[in-house]
Amino acid sequence: KAGVTQTPRYLIKTRGQQVTLSCSPISGHRSVSWYQQTPGQGLQFLFEYFSETQRNKGNFPGRFSGRQFSNSRSEMNVSTLELGDSALYLCASSPAPSGGVRGTQYFGPGTRLTVL
Amino acid sequence: QQQVKQSPQSLIVQKGGIPIINCAYENTAFDYFPWYQQFPGKGPALLIAIRPDVSEKKEGRFTISFNKSAKQFSLHIMDSQPGDSATYFCAAQRVSGNTPLVFGKGTRLSVIA
Repeated sequence: KAGVTQTPRYLIKTRGQQVTLSCSPISGHRSVSWYQQTPGQGLQFLFEYFSETQRNKGNFPGRFSGRQFSNSRSEMNVSTLELGDSALYLCASSPAPSGGVRGTQYFGPGTRLTVL
Repeated sequence: QQQVKQSPQSLIVQKGGIPIINCAYENTAFDYFPWYQQFPGKGPALLIAIRPDVSEKKEGRFTISFNKSAKQFSLHIMDSQPGDSATYFCAAQRVSGNTPLVFGKGTRLSVIA
């Protein structure tokens, strides 16, 4: 079974621009969660989608948004980019919400976003 | 407010040594405690996990020790190898409430030959 794929792998943007990142979950998985990883803060939860509905949301400003399509693929959008948005953005998929009873989430390799 | 505190931030051990990484949590409603391993350029991968109804779990060279009363859990790596060099994250989750994983800030482990 193919793993979680994220595109693009690397991205360079300038302040004020917007960006869209894509995540394709493992086949059959309906839950996609997004995390921001930075050296200082570690992994911080952004939001989770399950069956096209946002189920959980982390403590990030409204510039961060996402959506999920009927095929479970998910996109994350960041508008009006700031220097502090430079990070590795990871998505994780699982069959059930938040990993379900087994709590297992499978991570993709991430998209490295650099904001200049 | 950091719900899961992880230490140390970095760790260097000799090959064959037993690195120990510690985590402490605050929310007693957490009911699932996984450890993730991340290599450079890769996403985190689930290594081992424990539920609060057991005090220890072993999988190969990796062991989780869990102390519910102290709200602490730790990862031990037996007979560590250079290939174990990676960043390790502890996490906690209230699976029963379908809430997201809360991660520690990570420990960068280097195992030197």
